[in-house]
Amino acid sequence: RKEVEQDPGPFNVPEGATVAFNCTYSNSASQSFFWYRQDCRKEPKLLMSVYSSGNEDGRFTAQLNRASQYISLLIRDSKLSDSATYLCVVNSWNYGGSQGNLIFGKGTKLSVKP
Amino acid sequence: DTEVTQTPKHLVMGMTNKKSLKCEQHMGHRAMYWYKQKAKKPPELMFVYSYEKLSINESVPSRFSPECPNSSLLNLHLHALQPEDSALYLCASSQVAGSGNTIYFGEGSWLTVV
Repeated sequence: RKEVEQDPGPFNVPEGATVAFNCTYSNSASQSFFWYRQDCRKEPKLLMSVYSSGNEDGRFTAQLNRASQYISLLIRDSKLSDSATYLCVVNSWNYGGSQGNLIFGKGTKLSVKP
Repeated sequence: DTEVTQTPKHLVMGMTNKKSLKCEQHMGHRAMYWYKQKAKKPPELMFVYSYEKLSINESVPSRFSPECPNSSLLNLHLHALQPEDSALYLCASSQVAGSGNTIYFGEGSWLTVV
């Protein structure tokens, strides 16, 4: 099982659609979780941290289920500008001997069409 | 705009050249990172510096040599690289090197080895 697995994508959706990304992680000792967004030929940028209680930032909602080792990102009313690759990221201190390492999923590409 | 600044943005070098990538942050962060990202792949950790000391080297070949002159600067010295080393090299920083700390990326340096 890969350390962090995401939906393969790509997701092609019309403007205004609701889209959900899912992610699972294999290390039950993982301690912090993030969604990053990466535009083509740009650096990854933090979209939001993910907390067990769930958190919302405008049109974006992130959820964490520690028991199932599952993370999700919901985008409502998607915009053309949401088109990007969304990276599920897990930070595991002392994971595999590497301290404070960010483990990236392979990313899911989202294309929002007019 | 990112507060982690990388130079140069683009670099083309021959296999016998010696060059350096530079990274600077003025957020008072005490952890700095080098990541390598190939096309359509997630970033891969290369090095972590914590309080100006190298704390993680992810089995990176010695042709890559990191240096942290002070808490704001991080360099990556390149020597005798191979064409397969061509990639986007991302510098990042966080408050400290630990779980839960958000990692902020620079815009990256695009390296082509010819």
